[in-house]
Amino acid sequence: DTEVTQTPKHLVMGMTNKKSLKCEQHMGHRAMYWYKQKAKKPPELMFVYSYEKLSINESVPSRFSPECPNSSLLNLHLHALQPEDSALYLCASSTRLAGGTDTQYFGPGTRLTVL
Amino acid sequence: GQNIDQPTEMTATEGAIVQINCTYQTSGFNGLFWYQQHAGEAPTFLSYNVLDGLEEKGRFSSFLSRSKGYSYLLLKELQMKDSASYLCAVREGDSNYQLIWGAGTKLIIKP
Repeated sequence: DTEVTQTPKHLVMGMTNKKSLKCEQHMGHRAMYWYKQKAKKPPELMFVYSYEKLSINESVPSRFSPECPNSSLLNLHLHALQPEDSALYLCASSTRLAGGTDTQYFGPGTRLTVL
Repeated sequence: GQNIDQPTEMTATEGAIVQINCTYQTSGFNGLFWYQQHAGEAPTFLSYNVLDGLEEKGRFSSFLSRSKGYSYLLLKELQMKDSASYLCAVREGDSNYQLIWGAGTKLIIKP
C-alpha cells in the first residue's frame, strides 16, 4: 500500500473562516510534508515533520498552522487566508527524512479556493 | 546557483517514442527523480537515478549523466493517458526535503 489520502478534495473558504486539511498514511512513514502548488508551477515545500516533530518551516505565514497528532496523521490548519493562498495543497510522506533511495509519495491534494 | 531546465511543452503521436530532457546545476547531488502529474492531480513517482546510466521500467526509462548534469525520461509506445506534465527534481543533500524542482514539461499526445 503506497497510498497517502487527503481530505477534503476541494475546499472553498472565505477570508475569515477557519478550516483544516487532513492527510493520512499507513505505510509506517516517519517523515511527512506539506507542499503548495500553483497552476503550471512545481510544488513549493511548506513544512516537514520527522517523527511527529516539526523539522522544517519554510518561512510560511502564521495563517498556516501544521499539526502532527500521530505518526499517521498530518493536519494543516487554515485561518484568515488571502485569495492568493488559493492553490493545490499536497501532502507527501517518505520512509524517513534522510538517506538512501527514499522517495516521497504524494496524496491526491486538496484544491483550495479562498474568496 | 540552483537551476533545473526542462522544455515547457512537447507534442508527440500515440504509439511513438518521446524523450524529455532535464539539465541541472545544483550545489549538491544525491539523486534525480521523475514524477508524472496529470492536470489537477498529485505527482506520481516514476523513477529515481543516482548512478550514471539507464534505468528501465516498462514503457518508461530514465537516464542520468552526472558529469553532464543531464537526465532524460524516455516514454515508449505512447498512449493518450500519457498526456501529463513530467517533473524532474534533484535531491541536493541527504534530506528528502532538499528537492529542487524543474518547472515541468507538459506532454501532449495526439492520435
